[in-house]
Amino acid sequence: DARVTQTPRHKVTEMGQEVTMRCQPILGHNTVFWYRQTMMQGLELLAYFRNRAPLDDSGMPKDRFSAEMPDATLATLKIQPSEPRDSAVYFCASGLLNWPNMPQHFGDGTRLSIL
Amino acid sequence: GDSVTQMEGPVTLSEEAFLTINCTYTATGYPSLFWYVQYPGEGLQLLLKATKADDKGSNKGFEATYRKETTSFHLEKGSVQVSDSAVYFCALSDRGSSNTGKLIFGQGTTLQVKP
Repeated sequence: DARVTQTPRHKVTEMGQEVTMRCQPILGHNTVFWYRQTMMQGLELLAYFRNRAPLDDSGMPKDRFSAEMPDATLATLKIQPSEPRDSAVYFCASGLLNWPNMPQHFGDGTRLSIL
Repeated sequence: GDSVTQMEGPVTLSEEAFLTINCTYTATGYPSLFWYVQYPGEGLQLLLKATKADDKGSNKGFEATYRKETTSFHLEKGSVQVSDSAVYFCALSDRGSSNTGKLIFGQGTTLQVKP
C-alpha cells in the first residue's frame, strides 16, 4: 500500500534551534495537509496545499512557522526559532480531491521535543 | 462553522462487549463523514466513511450509518477485542463553496479493551 512518509520520526533539540520536518505525500495526491497534535489542543490544522500552492496557513504562528512544497514529492514544515511550546506530534496527510470521497492518508508523524 | 462532537472518553470495555461511540455534527452543506483510528505511536488511519444520507460505512467489524435527520454518525462494533484499543476520531469534510477537502475532527475518544 502507498504511504505518506515523514522524516524524522523523532526530533529533540534545544530552544532557539531551527527544526525542519519533511513529508513525502502519496504519488498522485494533489492536496497536502499539516497537523499538530497535543494532549491539550488535540488535532490542529496548521496549513494545506493544493497542487503545491498554499491554500490556507491561518492555523500556523506566522512569525516562526513556514510551510512549503518545493515539488510534488516533498512538503516541508519549518520552525525558526523553536520554543518549548512547539513540542508536539506533527502529522502530514495527503489526499486526492475527488468529491465526495476525500479521505486523507496520514503519515506516522514527527515527535518533536523542544528543551 | 462546521463542527464535530464526540462522546468523551475514556471508554473502558471488557473483551467481546458491544461498543458505541457517539458522534454528532453540524455542517452548513452536505458533508462526507469519516471515522479514523489512531493506535499508539502511529498516525491516523481511515477506518470507514459514508458520503450520503443512510449510507453505512463498515470495516473490520466496525459500522457507522450516516443519519441526516439526527446529524449523527455513531461508531459501533458488536464484539470488541483487546487489539481495538486506540483513539477514535470522527470527522467531516464539507464541500461548501470552497471545496477544500479539509477535515473537521472531533476531539477523539480513547477506547481501552480489557481481557
